[in-house]
Amino acid sequence: AQSVTQPDIHITVSEGASLELRCNYSYGATPYLFWYVQSPGQGLQLLLKYFSGDTLVQGIKGFEAEFKRSQSSFNLRKPSVHWSDAAEYFCAVGAWNNNDMRFGAGTRLTVKP
Amino acid sequence: EAGVTQFPSHSVIEKGQTVTLRCDPISGHDNLYWYRRVMGKEIKFLLHFVKESKQDESGMPNNRFLAERTGGTYSTLKVQPAELEDSGVYFCASSQVGTGGANEQYFGPGTRLTVT
Repeated sequence: AQSVTQPDIHITVSEGASLELRCNYSYGATPYLFWYVQSPGQGLQLLLKYFSGDTLVQGIKGFEAEFKRSQSSFNLRKPSVHWSDAAEYFCAVGAWNNNDMRFGAGTRLTVKP
Repeated sequence: EAGVTQFPSHSVIEKGQTVTLRCDPISGHDNLYWYRRVMGKEIKFLLHFVKESKQDESGMPNNRFLAERTGGTYSTLKVQPAELEDSGVYFCASSQVGTGGANEQYFGPGTRLTVT
């Protein structure tokens, strides 16, 4: 069965510091991987997605993620965090038709001034 | 273009009462999904409509939950009677029917349901 694990429930980083949010998945076929962000009072917004090809994918807001099949990971990174990045981040894995998505429990990011 | 909207944003009801949540998808999106997030847990799939038809309702917790999508437009999710464990945030998402490949789901802001 497919599943997603986000090991870190809460992360605090200083503004300007680098960020890496971890995501591990379990999926029997070729995974389609996503990162979503939810800011307070907002819906989930897609940051980036991976289907195939280059394992390093670029997303919006300066985020990137790297797919590592050998480690079943899809970690999200950002070189320099901004205060506006404070939010909750969700990793998800889905099938080719995106109709069977599984989400992780989320990682809440706090940004210190 | 308006995004996915959900109403109400927050509902507080007593155990045993009925609540109906509404979702308006993005115009033209045939796929509509309901998800639920219980506090601190992962976002879980509830069901999927294609137009007015239920494509997959494998995630519905029990028969106290009833989802409908009238005319393939907006959708409602009714919980009757509500139990304490139904508390959580209910998200709706919509996507286009594409030609293949994972189509992006656009999410609404969610309805926070509190059952006391």
